[in-house]
Amino acid sequence: GQQLNQSPQSMFIQEGEDVSMNCTSSSIFNTWLWYKQDPGEGPVLLIALYKAGELTSNGRLTAQFGITRKDSFLNISASIPSDVGIYFCAGQGSGSARQLTFGSGTQLTVLP
Amino acid sequence: GAVVSQHPSWVICKSGTSVKIECRSLDFQATTMFWYRQFPKQSLMLMATSNEGSKATYEQGVEKDKFLINHASLTLSTLTVTSAHPEDSSFYICSALDRVLQETQYFGPGTRLLVL
Repeated sequence: GQQLNQSPQSMFIQEGEDVSMNCTSSSIFNTWLWYKQDPGEGPVLLIALYKAGELTSNGRLTAQFGITRKDSFLNISASIPSDVGIYFCAGQGSGSARQLTFGSGTQLTVLP
Repeated sequence: GAVVSQHPSWVICKSGTSVKIECRSLDFQATTMFWYRQFPKQSLMLMATSNEGSKATYEQGVEKDKFLINHASLTLSTLTVTSAHPEDSSFYICSALDRVLQETQYFGPGTRLLVL
């Protein structure tokens, strides 16, 4: 199946540092979503973006929906140990099925 | 908030047996549910779209006779892995699309399947 290009694949950062990750696609999406997945659990929605150019914050998280509708980034400020996990971007098309296409994931490790 | 449950959370079975996984939307109705498979250190790959009262739509490369999907009610979809083999061992995750809030998919906690 199709996947989005997500980078970086993994990150090791010090507690307190800011983090940035992004996704790009060859296809246009109507909605961009960012999820966090902890080991052995399902993804949990962090932020949803519905309009091109939209910049949305959720606590220490900020995400933007690219103007071209083919990319999105997620920033995490002042990282803390519980930010550890895998972050996935996902694009949702306009079809009636509302299917999601997931990025390859970014493994985040926060060092104390 | 919307909650999706999966049962069982993990299962170990012998090669050749069939395993049924349930996905339930607990506090909302879902006309559409999705089934994903996730191998270790990989992303979620959509297997099929399950529509209440109709046949599921399978992604390319997913065998519909091996992965049987039944979406008999607005709150329950089941995935049956028939004649399971070790290569079917994976993490299976469902999601449910809120019938009212059509923009939002809610994910279940996943089911770990190990086929010996």
